[in-house]
Amino acid sequence: QKEVEQDPGPLSVPEGAIVSLNCTYSNSAFQYFMWYRQYSRKGPELLMYTYSSGNKEDGRFTAQVDKSSKYISLFIRDSQPSDSATYLCAMSRFTDGTASKLTFGTGTRLQVTL
Amino acid sequence: KAGVTQTPRYLIKTRGQQVTLSCSPISGHRSVSWYQQTPGQGLQFLFEYFSETQRNKGNFPGRFSGRQFSNSRSEMNVSTLELGDSALYLCASSEGRVSYEQYFGPGTRLTVT
Repeated sequence: QKEVEQDPGPLSVPEGAIVSLNCTYSNSAFQYFMWYRQYSRKGPELLMYTYSSGNKEDGRFTAQVDKSSKYISLFIRDSQPSDSATYLCAMSRFTDGTASKLTFGTGTRLQVTL
Repeated sequence: KAGVTQTPRYLIKTRGQQVTLSCSPISGHRSVSWYQQTPGQGLQFLFEYFSETQRNKGNFPGRFSGRQFSNSRSEMNVSTLELGDSALYLCASSEGRVSYEQYFGPGTRLTVT
């Protein structure tokens, strides 16, 4: 079983819809939670990062972390065709002076249609 | 600020050869991490360098190595290439000591034939 599970999709939604992307994880030691967006043939782009449980909002994006359920979510409001990409969750824990080892989900492919 | 740059962007090598990839982090960032991305395994952590020292290492064989220079630029080397090493190799830089907030470069696409 992978440490981080993510539905690969594809997820197809109409323009303007609210998108919900989710990841579950098994390692309760994870403390830092990130969401990345990756367009085809590009490197991942950091969208949001949070520490421990709670919500964080940035423009049309909201990240939620529920450590008790080992569940994180990314919500995208008013989705646009330009949001069509693969969304990767990532998480890490602090050990030996660093939290650099990010463990990624497999990514969810999102398609926003006109 | 300029983003993370990686060279070369594309590379084709033959089994048994070795390869060196280069990464220049965002100005002021002292941590550089390397990842391998494949369709089957996704993104997997290789190692991290901070102030020229390897601080963290993933579960890859010793054929994968790296180093960091005093200007924070980093290189990774893969020796005795295997077909399974074909992948997108991504470099990410981070400003702080904790290094979870990572910014990725465009990657180097390595094909081993």
